[in-house]
Amino acid sequence: KAGVTQTPRYLIKTRGQQVTLSCSPISGHRSVSWYQQTPGQGLQFLFEYFSETQRNKGNFPGRFSGRQFSNSRSEMNVSTLELGDSALYLCASSLGLAGGEETQYFGPGTRLLVL
Amino acid sequence: AQSVTQLDSQVPVFEEAPVELRCNYSSSVSVYLFWYVQYPNQGLQLLLKYLSGSTLVKGINGFEAEFNKSQTSFHLRKPSVHISDTAEYFCAVRPGGSARQLTFGSGTQLTVLP
Repeated sequence: KAGVTQTPRYLIKTRGQQVTLSCSPISGHRSVSWYQQTPGQGLQFLFEYFSETQRNKGNFPGRFSGRQFSNSRSEMNVSTLELGDSALYLCASSLGLAGGEETQYFGPGTRLLVL
Repeated sequence: AQSVTQLDSQVPVFEEAPVELRCNYSSSVSVYLFWYVQYPNQGLQLLLKYLSGSTLVKGINGFEAEFNKSQTSFHLRKPSVHISDTAEYFCAVRPGGSARQLTFGSGTQLTVLP
């Protein structure tokens, strides 16, 4: 079974631009979560989507948004990029079981550099 | 809210020696516990997890961890490390229920020396 895939793997943008990152979960997984990893702040939760609905959101400004499609693929968008948005963005997928006793599997990440 | 403390940011150890990476957590609700490993320029790979049942859990690559509820700890151990275990290790917690938000520790860089 294929793992979580993220595209693109690397991205360079300039301040003020916007960017869209894509995540394809493991087949059959309905929950997709996004995380930002930086040397200073570590791994921080951005948001989670389940069945095309945002179920949970971390403490990030409104410039960070996301969506999920009917096939469970997810995209996240960052508008008006700032230098501090340079990070590794990780996507994780899981089945989305009601009880929560499940594992989240991570993709390889998209490394975003903002100049 | 949950928080995770990884007490050591860097752990150097010689090859074939045992290692313990420490993790303590704080939560007002029951949690699930995880250890992930990250190799350079890669995503996170699950090492092991505690969801319920036996407090001693075994994972991949010879790692194991013990959930201690009274001490709110979930330390990771391996009896004999290899050069290939050099990586960053993250402890994470997630509240029980439908939320999928993982709270991570700051990570421990394990360096195995020849």
